Amino acid sequence: DAGVIQSPRHEVTEMGQEVTLRCKPISGHDYLFWYRQTMMRGLELLIYFNNNVPIDDSGMPEDRFSAKMPNASFSNLKIQPSEPRDSAVYFCASSKDRLREQFFGPGTRLTVL
Amino acid sequence: AQKITQTQPGMFVQEKEAVTLDCTYDTSDQSYGLFWYKQPSSGEMIFLIYQGSYDEQNATEGRYSLNFQKARKSANLVISASQLGDSAMYFCAMRVSRSNDYKLSFGAGTTVTVRA
Repeated sequence: DAGVIQSPRHEVTEMGQEVTLRCKPISGHDYLFWYRQTMMRGLELLIYFNNNVPIDDSGMPEDRFSAKMPNASFSNLKIQPSEPRDSAVYFCASSKDRLREQFFGPGTRLTVL
Repeated sequence: AQKITQTQPGMFVQEKEAVTLDCTYDTSDQSYGLFWYKQPSSGEMIFLIYQGSYDEQNATEGRYSLNFQKARKSANLVISASQLGDSAMYFCAMRVSRSNDYKLSFGAGTTVTVRA
């Protein structure tokens, strides 16, 4: 079975540009999570979805960040405009059961110059 | 709010020996789940083991076992017979089982280096 798929794996962009990160969860998983990992703040939950509906976006740092899940097999996270402090590894994870383990994608390493 | 504490920033272990990674947690909830993840230098987050707060037996998965001491609020990971491939960062995480709260709270992580 394919795991969680993320693209791109690496993204380098200039400040002010729009960035789109993509995620395909594991088939049959009803929960999708977006995390950000930095050295300073560790792993932070940004937003999560249940059955394609955003449940909690309180972790989204500011209005420059948005996320959508148009269907059960795809989600994207957009940053517009991007800033150097957005540089981090962004993980997508999915889960079949809300109480059990989340399976993470390989992450997207974002560098904003 | 839930809090996960991993007090060991880094550890060295000899190949084939066992290593214990400490994790303590703080929650007022009675129902929760505890997780351990491995993050090798390649960056991916790999799920290792899960323990439910009501599970009577300590969880085991191959060479991984979780030493769950509920009264002490600790959930230490034991890796037996360490291998060079076990060198990685290890994260302890917790999720409470309230409705509409599916967030994982992560500790700061412990780096394990296995020496040949």
